[in-house]
Order: sequence, then structure tokens, then C-alpha cells
Amino acid sequence: GAVVSQHPSRVICKSGTSVKIECRSLDFQATTMFWYRQFPKKSLMLMATSNEGSKATYEQGVEKDKFLINHASLTLSTLTVTSAHPEDSSFYICSASDGGRAEQYFGPGTRLTVT
Amino acid sequence: LAKTTQPISMDSYEGQEVNITCSHNNIATNDYITWYQQFPSQGPRFIIQGYKTKVTNEVASLFIPADRKSSTLSLPRVSLSDTAVYYCLVGPPGGGFKTIFGAGTRLFVKA
Repeated sequence: GAVVSQHPSRVICKSGTSVKIECRSLDFQATTMFWYRQFPKKSLMLMATSNEGSKATYEQGVEKDKFLINHASLTLSTLTVTSAHPEDSSFYICSASDGGRAEQYFGPGTRLTVT
Repeated sequence: LAKTTQPISMDSYEGQEVNITCSHNNIATNDYITWYQQFPSQGPRFIIQGYKTKVTNEVASLFIPADRKSSTLSLPRVSLSDTAVYYCLVGPPGGGFKTIFGAGTRLFVKA
């Protein structure tokens, strides 16, 4: 099946710094990618939808200037958490779709810890 | 977007069949039903997808009644490794729709 990778798998950063998370579709072209965050024992919360070559669509309550999303190619989307704070510590997951079936392909997730 | 409702948690024993039902009363005509499995600190993994009647693959079966307002994921002979959270999602084909996850069902398989 289709594979989506994320890098890094875990990252620890200091408060005030920025962190970039990459999401790649390895064997298909992803017309749409999604970014989620998940807190412990909670469900996935959709943050934004990104389509290749256009601006991301953010969900209500998600600050677009804090969570910068770039979908520059059909195989790569990046999420940059700017000026990270401890409350941004979470599990970030991306998913990608090839525009075919309703199925999405999820990445393995990135554990962000802000100290 | 069709909202889904699932039981919060379920317990089972190894070797038993587990059925998890999801309600989606507002499912649209062109929506598909997709189930995912998630282990701690991992991304969700696709299990099965269907539109109507019954779908079966090597890991599960999906039963969808004629009115499509609910669906049941059936896991035959569960093992300890099936302990996970299971999510039911509905949405149209094309993959470009945004996905809203419900709370999911936390399945705990005991020895």
C-alpha cells in the first residue's frame, strides 16, 4: 500500500524556537495532505488541509501564523511550529491522499516536546 | 460532514470475535465508510472500507445495512495485539475532503 513518512519521529526543542516537521508520500503523488495533532488519550484533531501549490486551509482555532504549512510539491508537505511553547507539545500526524479513493494514508507521527 | 458515534471502549478476550458498531445517521449518498486502527504513538492504519452491504478482507469484515446509517466492524478471533483504538470515518471518494475524527473505540483484549 501507499506509504507516508514523517521526519523527525520525535523532537525536543526549547521554548521560543521553531521546529519543522516533514511529511512525504513515498510512492504516490499526494494532491492533498492533512495535518493533525493528538494529545494523550485523545482523538486526532484536524489542524489544516493543504493542497499542492496553494495556501493551506486552517481549522477554526488553529493559528496559521503559528503553524506554517507548505505543500510545495506533490510528495512533500511541511509543518513549522513557530515560537514553540510547552503547550504545543503534542503528537503531530500527517496524512495524504492521492485523490482517488476516500482512504487517507497516515504518517507514523512526530512527537514534539517543548521544554 | 457526517458525524460518527461509537462506543468509547470495549473489552474482549483472545480468540473471541469483536464487533464494533458505528452510527452515522447523516451519511451522504456518496460517502464511503472507512475504519482505521491506531496503536499508541503511531499514526492510524487503514483496516477496511465499504459503501454498502458487506466487505471482507484478510483482517476484518465490514457490515453495512441498507439504510447505511450505521456500520459494524467485525474482527474475528482477536489477539492481544489487536488492543488499540478503532476509528470509524465517513466521507466522499476523492480523498480531498477533510476528515473529522470522532472519539473512537478503545478495544482492550485480555488473555
